[in-house]
Amino acid sequence: TQLLEQSPQFLSIQEGENLTVYCNSSSVFSSLQWYRQEPGEGPVLLVTVVTGGEVKKLKRLTFQFGDARKDSSLHITAAQPGDTGLYLCAGGGRTNAGKSTFGDGTTLTVKP
Amino acid sequence: KAGVTQTPRYLIKTRGQQVTLSCSPISGHRSVSWYQQTPGQGLQFLFEYFSETQRNKGNFPGRFSGRQFSNSRSEMNVSTLELGDSALYLCASPGTDLYEQYFGPGTRLTVT
Repeated sequence: TQLLEQSPQFLSIQEGENLTVYCNSSSVFSSLQWYRQEPGEGPVLLVTVVTGGEVKKLKRLTFQFGDARKDSSLHITAAQPGDTGLYLCAGGGRTNAGKSTFGDGTTLTVKP
Repeated sequence: KAGVTQTPRYLIKTRGQQVTLSCSPISGHRSVSWYQQTPGQGLQFLFEYFSETQRNKGNFPGRFSGRQFSNSRSEMNVSTLELGDSALYLCASPGTDLYEQYFGPGTRLTVT
């Protein structure tokens, strides 16, 4: 079974600060997704990373896939209250028969 | 294109009852996946349907079942409800990457 561990579990910061969220596994993934979820709503896909070492930027968000495709990070620059939410990483690979494995998530609160 | 829709958004049921949830995937998509999300267990895969056939199944008891119709709409049924079945049930359509998911808003089920 492929497992994804996210850290930290909770993060509370002031508006304007930078932060990094981590997603780690001992397994190799063929691709990895990051989602953001607001209370009472479904997760919204932010990005997919596929190639080891890949870096993708989405405005103030920077996503990196580890060289060995076992881990990923999400860096937010100058966080804003609108970034508040649950950030989930998910991955898929041959060993889990086509199903996505989700991490437990990082709950981010950005205070104005 | 319309996104993934789920009905109802909220449900309150009593232990021992059964419940049916409905999902319509993104127009033109033939695959539907169902997930259960709880604070303790996170997001867990229930099952996936493709062209009316169950293609993948997670580790849930037989009380959880589903089906997909020829118009790609899917239903999920939970029989003999237990308190622990209280959760946000999410339905998803696949994206361009094999493991990308586009989620609906979810159905919040409360079992009392």
